[in-house]
Amino acid sequence: GDSVTQMEGPVTLSEEAFLTINCTYTATGYPSLFWYVQYPGEGLQLLLKATKADDKGSNKGFEATYRKETTSFHLEKGSVQVSDSAVYFCALSETGGYQKVTFGTGTKLQVIP
Amino acid sequence: NAGVTQTPKFRVLKTGQSMTLLCAQDMNHEYMYWYRQDPGMGLRLIHYSVGEGTTAKGEVPDGYNVSRLKKQNFLLGLESAAPSQTSVYFCASRDRDLKNQPQHFGDGTRLSIL
Repeated sequence: GDSVTQMEGPVTLSEEAFLTINCTYTATGYPSLFWYVQYPGEGLQLLLKATKADDKGSNKGFEATYRKETTSFHLEKGSVQVSDSAVYFCALSETGGYQKVTFGTGTKLQVIP
Repeated sequence: NAGVTQTPKFRVLKTGQSMTLLCAQDMNHEYMYWYRQDPGMGLRLIHYSVGEGTTAKGEVPDGYNVSRLKKQNFLLGLESAAPSQTSVYFCASRDRDLKNQPQHFGDGTRLSIL
């Protein structure tokens, strides 16, 4: 079945540092890929998405590129802020059926001033 | 901009008690989902529904029941709560016809079973 593997946290960075959170996946077919962010006490919110190979999703300074050859969708940001502290989930979605979504286990990011 | 609303936000139950969690969405979405979130395990799908009057099991359905009597509401029931059901529960919805769209999540219900 489908699976998503993302790096374990927590990740602690200083403000303005470069962020990478690794995500790899296994899937049949051609899934869509997502990054969600969860702030304390809230539900998951879509951060960015990519729907086909070589697509780059971007939002709020975050980027991720759909790499089919390496089955990866790594999240990057050039300069993190304290307000980026949250839990980040990588996910893939089948495009057929009930559009099942498979989530990674989440990576907690803490940015310190 | 209500989106997906979950009630209650917090609840403490004793083992063996029953309760119902309510999820309501105002986006006219066909698909609705219930997940549980546990430390180190991400989100796991409990049950889902592809339309009014339909429900189906997800990956961890045991101990839970659901109903979708109205399109906008998706109820999750615990008939006899157990400590293993202590978790944060999230409801989500999604449009059926628009491809490659994300799920929209509620803010969660934190449930403790003593």
